[in-house]
Amino acid sequence: NAGVTQTPKFRILKIGQSMTLQCTQDMNHNYMYWYRQDPGMGLKLIYYSVGAGITDKGEVPNGYNVSRSTTEDFPLRLELAAPSQTSVYFCASSLDRGHTEAFFGQGTRLTVV
Amino acid sequence: AQRVTQPEKLLSVFKGAPVELKCNYSYSGSPELFWYVQYSRQRLQLLLRHISRESIKGFTADLNKGETSFHLKKPFAQEEDSAMYYCALRTGGTSYGKLTFGQGTILTVHP
Repeated sequence: NAGVTQTPKFRILKIGQSMTLQCTQDMNHNYMYWYRQDPGMGLKLIYYSVGAGITDKGEVPNGYNVSRSTTEDFPLRLELAAPSQTSVYFCASSLDRGHTEAFFGQGTRLTVV
Repeated sequence: AQRVTQPEKLLSVFKGAPVELKCNYSYSGSPELFWYVQYSRQRLQLLLRHISRESIKGFTADLNKGETSFHLKKPFAQEEDSAMYYCALRTGGTSYGKLTFGQGTILTVHP
């Protein structure tokens, strides 16, 4: 049982490039989330999904896109990378809403230069 | 809109001293509140949730709906408690399942 797996762990992008951050979970969780963690700013919700085929915007969705074609996978797409997107990105999943625990991936450290 | 505020970015205490990490929330519905912890080089993980009314690693948190607070407390801090702590709120209604975090508090416990 791997839990939540994110790839890659580290990435350096040039301004204007695009990339996809991968997130997969093997716990059959319905809910999945993408956050970015900036120093002193805490965790900001980018997008979330309550099930396959359903996604919704969080607090800071601009510059990102997501899809949820399967229960297991929730990739985050960056189009036209900008220095402001330099951050640590975390994916998380939970079985349901309510009081259930969210499980986190190990994070992806992205630098845009 | 829902919001979670942790007013202290940094908190330092000495070993054996009491510690309180503050969390205030803004939400018109019935809140579901959590504390998550991130130890150095580890994944973010659940510490406790308000519905369980449990004590984990000596930490407790009580939901005060009148003051819209969910402060985390421990009577005697230990060096191994040093970590980043996040308060989180899960909402219902039209944005059901949305999980919002505060800015986080870095706790340092000195020997």
